[in-house]
Amino acid sequence: GAVVSQHPSWVICKSGTSVKIECRSLDFQATTMFWYRQFPKQSLMLMATSNEGSKATYEQGVEKDKFLINHASLTLSTLTVTSAHPEDSSFYICSASRQAAQPQHFGDGTRLSIL
Amino acid sequence: AQTVTQSQPEMSVQEAETVTLSCTYDTSESNYYLFWYKQPPSRQMILVIRQEAYKQQNATENRFSVNFQKAAKSFSLKISDSQLGDTAMYFCAFDDQGAQKLVFGQGTRLTINP
Repeated sequence: GAVVSQHPSWVICKSGTSVKIECRSLDFQATTMFWYRQFPKQSLMLMATSNEGSKATYEQGVEKDKFLINHASLTLSTLTVTSAHPEDSSFYICSASRQAAQPQHFGDGTRLSIL
Repeated sequence: AQTVTQSQPEMSVQEAETVTLSCTYDTSESNYYLFWYKQPPSRQMILVIRQEAYKQQNATENRFSVNFQKAAKSFSLKISDSQLGDTAMYFCAFDDQGAQKLVFGQGTRLTINP
């Protein structure tokens, strides 16, 4: 159990377009979902935390208008990178947990390349 | 703010050997969780082991065990009888029980040689 699906796994798009990444908990209800960003050969940096039905909480330095997060149901959260530019190219990973104090389960990540 | 430090950027051992990865952290909290995650070349994050701070007994999962020293704020991972499939990046992570936010260390790239 505790499977998290992330889609797409790899996306290439032109500068200026918006890209949506989906994160789904397949076999459990996730009260909280998390979005991380990972640069090559670096660690994961938390971007934002989202709870179902409420606004996401963004970490310091993360642009809310650039990275739109929606957590409309207990099994789905989306990250939209708006007006993407080459500097937004990165590996984005989501995770989900059933409730507080429970381990986070990670999706397989999305490699985003902006040309 | 909590910080997690992994002082070994890279390690390499022979298959079947035992290897220990180091991790230290800094926090003023008394209740928290510590994790080791494995990230193979596929980049999937895989939970290896979890330790609750209030438990004195070190967590164990098959060939993986930890040495949790709360006073020293140290949380090392020991991999026994290492296998080729253990080759991966290993991240130590801290979870403040109240905030439910994972803070990751810089990672240790572990290579198991045949």
